[in-house]
Amino acid sequence: AQSVAQPEDQVNVAEGNPLTVKCTYSVSGNPYLFWYVQYPNRGLQFLLKYITGDNLVKGSYGFEAEFNKSQTSFHLKKPSALVSDSALYFCAVRDWGTDSWGKFQFGAGTQVVVTP
Amino acid sequence: DGGITQSPKYLFRKEGQNVTLSCEQNLNHDAMYWYRQDPGQGLRLIYYSQIVNDFQKGDIAEGYSVSREKKESFPLTVTSAQKNPTAFYLCASSMIPGGNEAFFGQGTRLTVV
Repeated sequence: AQSVAQPEDQVNVAEGNPLTVKCTYSVSGNPYLFWYVQYPNRGLQFLLKYITGDNLVKGSYGFEAEFNKSQTSFHLKKPSALVSDSALYFCAVRDWGTDSWGKFQFGAGTQVVVTP
Repeated sequence: DGGITQSPKYLFRKEGQNVTLSCEQNLNHDAMYWYRQDPGQGLRLIYYSQIVNDFQKGDIAEGYSVSREKKESFPLTVTSAQKNPTAFYLCASSMIPGGNEAFFGQGTRLTVV
């Protein structure tokens, strides 16, 4: 079975400071990992994904994520946070080649609050 | 423009009524999904489908039903058997190979009145 954990319900950061949102995963096969952002009363927007290759993945709006196989983590990062980055962030894993068949499993979400 | 469209944006249901949420995509995606979102619980999978006329139950299928008569459409019916249907419902679609991301609609907020 696949699962995703986001250990922090909320992350508070001052504008201009680095932002990190943590994610750990558990899968039985090779993981495909994703980050999404959600603004209030809206659908999820795709930020970036890890499939294979370079462990540092770059995505939209200046976000990047680092895949660490030994720690089974996929933390989202941004070097300098903006107030407009305040939103709900979801990590997701898509298992493949098992009876999970390619379902997306989402974490509980982390609320990011960036203060001016 | 390609995308995934959910309607209506807001829906109100009386006790004992069935209601149907619409989801349409023009991305030519084979897979479609329905998720329920409650505060603090993330997204929970209700039903998913990888091909026309076939679908599978997710983690919380009780009280819900779906159909997949066309590739582009995956409507969700919330039946009277669903005792706590008030939630934000999200539809998504994706290509089947595992490395493809899901695209989401803008959601439908269902409220029981």
